[in-house]
Amino acid sequence: DAGITQSPRHKVTETGTPVTLRCHQTENHRYMYWYRQDPGHGLRLIHYSYGVKDTDKGEVSDGYSVSRSKTEDFLLTLESATSSQTSVYFCAIRQGGEQYFGPGTRLTVT
Amino acid sequence: DQQVKQNSPSLSVQEGRISILNCDYTNSMFDYFLWYKKYPAEGPTFLISISSIKDKNEDGRFTVFLNKSAKHLSLHIVPSQPGDSAVYFCAASGLIQGAQKLVFGQGTRLTINP
Repeated sequence: DAGITQSPRHKVTETGTPVTLRCHQTENHRYMYWYRQDPGHGLRLIHYSYGVKDTDKGEVSDGYSVSRSKTEDFLLTLESATSSQTSVYFCAIRQGGEQYFGPGTRLTVT
Repeated sequence: DQQVKQNSPSLSVQEGRISILNCDYTNSMFDYFLWYKKYPAEGPTFLISISSIKDKNEDGRFTVFLNKSAKHLSLHIVPSQPGDSAVYFCAASGLIQGAQKLVFGQGTRLTINP
């Protein structure tokens, strides 16, 4: 257990509304990641952070932004949700050569 | 382009037998490889890993084999147990655009039949 929580765990929202997902960790890890999981695609990196206020884009960053104002929290924002952003979102931390994941947030955009 | 591929979406194995899950990669810059296990409604959990300087790593019932020349890795589970039924993801780690990142395969759903 890497001490990672995600909130909310489930969310249904309408197209065009903003949505923010939260990832919280308790063990002071420097690196944090946001992934989305979709059938046939595995997990794909959206954004990652290598420190407070230090973030960069991943493979599928379009339509998403992130913020990290303190070590323990990494926020993922969908500025204007679209149906293509319906997915399961996972946060992860890096410890050594491995990444450890939170329980996920299932987001449905109607 | 899919840099890490798991070509079998599903695999069914009888309890007590060996399960073999396969993974291929294309980028020779990957230097660390991992397997994750995922149950429904949970996050992926780290299972086992191998460095590119090794060709085998064993942890209890789980063994990962790496063939660098073929750019292929496999996960062996023996003996297979009902609790092993899950989706398994392989992942490769390397320096991509200046940062260490993981690239995941599409996953293989393993079902262990009693």
